[in-house]
Amino acid sequence: DADVTQTPRNRITKTGKRIMLECSQTKGHDRMYWYRQDPGLGLRLIYYSFDVKDINKGEISDGYSVSRQAQAKFSLSLESAIPNQTALYFCATQLGRTKDTQYFGPGTRLTVL
Amino acid sequence: QQQVKQSPQSLIVQKGGISIINCAYENTAFDYFPWYQQFPGKGPALLIAIRPDVSEKKEGRFTISFNKSAKQFSLHIMDSQPGDSATYFCAATWGNTPLVFGKGTRLSVIA
Repeated sequence: DADVTQTPRNRITKTGKRIMLECSQTKGHDRMYWYRQDPGLGLRLIYYSFDVKDINKGEISDGYSVSRQAQAKFSLSLESAIPNQTALYFCATQLGRTKDTQYFGPGTRLTVL
Repeated sequence: QQQVKQSPQSLIVQKGGISIINCAYENTAFDYFPWYQQFPGKGPALLIAIRPDVSEKKEGRFTISFNKSAKQFSLHIMDSQPGDSATYFCAATWGNTPLVFGKGTRLSVIA
């Protein structure tokens, strides 16, 4: 969905490097999410934010941090990347009710060597 | 229990056949059950969703069947087409909690 953009789309980095993945949305949604997708493990929630002042840990937050710079922007950081953080990362947005549709970005494929 | 258990992990169906994907849950507080469809190279997108006050919801060739007593719900794709080849995720939520996703089913529809 072009309303949710992720940068970069692909990134190869080395162990120990700091990496930031960025997500921007023009949908005007207040809720934003970061997921990680691994083959056979599905979508696992890393962090989520219900508004600019709200940050919550998800199922697998260790090794990650986030920043909600504005309603439209939600960044995910890997402070010191490790190989098992190699995965496909998705950002998603949602209007303010959990029963509403989540709209996913196109994903960032991250490889940590 | 926040888990949603999805099966099978992969599925191959002949064109025109019925594809069936199953999900089971333990948390009886779950009150919304969406299915997401993901094509290669794309993010998941909402396909269809159901609430537990109905036993079935149909949208075109896609139907969700919901069995509250068994704590199970399933996605049926009638007259499956090659264009339906994708990964399908079931999910569940309750109250104001984030979605919990199943591990996904990779569907291949062959001609």
